[in-house]
Amino acid sequence: AQKVTQAQTEISVVEKEDVTLDCVYETRDTTYYLFWYKQPPSGELVFLIRRNSFDEQNEISGRYSWNFQKSTSSFNFTITASQVVDSAVYFCALIANDMRFGAGTRLTVKP
Amino acid sequence: DAGVIQSPRHEVTEMGQEVTLRCKPISGHDYLFWYRQTMMRGLELLIYFNNNVPIDDSGMPEDRFSAKMPNASFSTLKIQPSEPRDSAVYFCASSSGTVPQEQYFGPGTRLTVT
Repeated sequence: AQKVTQAQTEISVVEKEDVTLDCVYETRDTTYYLFWYKQPPSGELVFLIRRNSFDEQNEISGRYSWNFQKSTSSFNFTITASQVVDSAVYFCALIANDMRFGAGTRLTVKP
Repeated sequence: DAGVIQSPRHEVTEMGQEVTLRCKPISGHDYLFWYRQTMMRGLELLIYFNNNVPIDDSGMPEDRFSAKMPNASFSTLKIQPSEPRDSAVYFCASSSGTVPQEQYFGPGTRLTVT
C-alpha cells in the first residue's frame, strides 16, 4: 500500500531561521510523482513543486529547496531564512497507482 | 485567468438534507478532483474525472455521496442525506496532461451539518 508520512505535526521557528520539513513515502511502483503543496491560513492549497521518480536532482527556488533521495524514500523541503509569510500547513503528496497526501506539517514562523 | 471556482463557500444544513457542492475547473483542464479535508482524516481524495468520465471513485465514503461531471466546465458533489460526520471542507481541483501534473485547487466549501 502506498503511504506518505510527515512525522512533524507542528514546527515553530523564529523568523530568519532555516527549517526542514520531512516527507517519507512508500510505494512499490517504480514510476511515481511527488508533490509539495502549501495551505496558508486562507485555506486554499497552492502547488509548490513536482518531482518524478526518475529525476533525483535537487531543486532550488528562491528560499525554497527540495532534497529527493530514493535511497531513503524521502522528499524533504527546506525553507531558508524563513519569513512570517511562510506560516502555513505544508503537505507532501505521492501519485503512483493512486494519490496519497501526508497529514501535513503546520509551520509557524514567529517575528 | 480565473482559477477553480467553487460554490457555495459555506454551507450549513441540517442532518438529513441534501447538499450539492459545485465546481468549475480551469478552462482547458481535463482532470477534475474532489477532496475532503477534516482534522481527523486529513486530506482525502474522493473521486476524480478525466474528460468528464469518473476514473476512480474508491475514495467516496458511502452511497450517500455522488459526483457528476455533465460537461468540461462543471461538476457537482452531492450528499443525500447529509450527516453531521460529513462536516468538512470540500475542495475541487483541476489539472491537465497525461502525466500527473500539479493540481490547481479551488477555495473550498466549508460544510457544516447540524
